[in-house]
Formats: sequence, C-alpha cells, structure tokens
Amino acid sequence: DAGITQSPRYKITETGRQVTLMCHQTWSHSYMFWYRQDLGHGLRLIYYSAAADITDKGEVPDGYVVSRSKTENFPLTLESATRSQTSVYFCASSEWYSSGNTIYFGEGSWLTVV
Amino acid sequence: AQTVTQSQPEMSVQEAETVTLSCTYDTSENNYYLFWYKQPPSRQMILVIRQEAYKQQNATENRFSVNFQKAAKSFSLKISDSQLGDTAMYFCAFMIPGGSYNFNKFYFGSGTKLNVKP
Repeated sequence: DAGITQSPRYKITETGRQVTLMCHQTWSHSYMFWYRQDLGHGLRLIYYSAAADITDKGEVPDGYVVSRSKTENFPLTLESATRSQTSVYFCASSEWYSSGNTIYFGEGSWLTVV
Repeated sequence: AQTVTQSQPEMSVQEAETVTLSCTYDTSENNYYLFWYKQPPSRQMILVIRQEAYKQQNATENRFSVNFQKAAKSFSLKISDSQLGDTAMYFCAFMIPGGSYNFNKFYFGSGTKLNVKP
C-alpha cells in the first residue's frame, strides 16, 4: 500500500528557476491538495483538485501552477522560484465518500530557494 | 469564515503523565468532521483520531481520546500515559464535506508543539 509519494523529497534550486514537485497516489482518490507549511503559518492550501482536469486555487496560489491529467498524479510547478517559496510542501488526497472523509498526506518535499 | 484555533503554541509533559491539547473552531455548518494530526520531527503527517460531528460519543484511539463539545465548538485531545514518541507537533483540523465533485474543505489550526520529557 504505497499511498501518496512525493518527489523529490529534498530540492535546492536557484531563484528564477522552474521547479516541479511530483505527487502520486495509489488510492484513486478524487480529491488532491497541495499545502505549504511554514513556521508560524501552519498548513496553507495552495491548490486543490476535485477530479482529473478540475483544479482550483486555494489560499496562496500565486507563483504556482498545477495540472491533473490523470487521477493519480498532481504535480505542482513553481514557474519562477523565489526565496519566499522556500518551504515544506505536502501533497494530500481525500475521498468524499470514504469512512471519515480523512485527508492523507505524503511525506513532504523540502524546497530551498537560494 | 471557518477557523481553527489552537491557543497553546507549545506544551510540555512528563513521561507517563496525561496532557490535554486545546482546539476551538468556528463554523456555521452542522455536518463536519474533526481530526487531530501528529507531525513528528520527520514531518510526516499522521492521523491520530477523528470525530464525526453528528456523533455525541467522544472518539477514543488507545491512549488518545477527545473531548468534543459541539455547542462550545471545542475539540480537545487528551493523551494518557505520555510516551517519548508522542513528542511532535499536533494539528487540529475540521472538514466540511463537499460531496461528489465538490470540494472537501479542510481547515487546519496552527499547531501545538508537544514535548514529552523523560
């Protein structure tokens, strides 16, 4: 039971570069999410997706792009990385009808922009 | 607006003792779910316990239990017989179900850092 896998787990990139964080889930959950976690802010929603080809902005979407051509994949792209995007990024998934409607998280991707 | 408030940024407890983490939330919805997640230093988010708002009985999961007060919009987590492995950040969250092709909306608190001391 692989669950949700994120890659890369750790990434250092330079300001202005494009970076893509990958997320893959094996449960066929309809919902997928990207959160960022910063000290003092807890978890903030970047983008979410209710199904393949259905995505929408969350709380802090600026500077990010997502796509969801397949149910199981939900990549997050930083088009031109900035230092303020240094953070830990969590991909998550959920299914509305499942018992408890629980949200499940990947292990996180640590991104440093220098 | 939906909000989750964890008023204790950091707490400490001696090993084997009991500790309670506070959480309050605000919503006008009647149907929702409540969760506590644990985030150890590894940063993995681990589900600790969940509670359906329509259930009056408080959820229990081994050493973890909740005190759910719906009218007060309070959802505290009690950890009994604290262990060193309980040292982690704990997040309170609630979710408003959206149904098919509607967004399940999750709201998270800012977290409480729990230190279990030997």
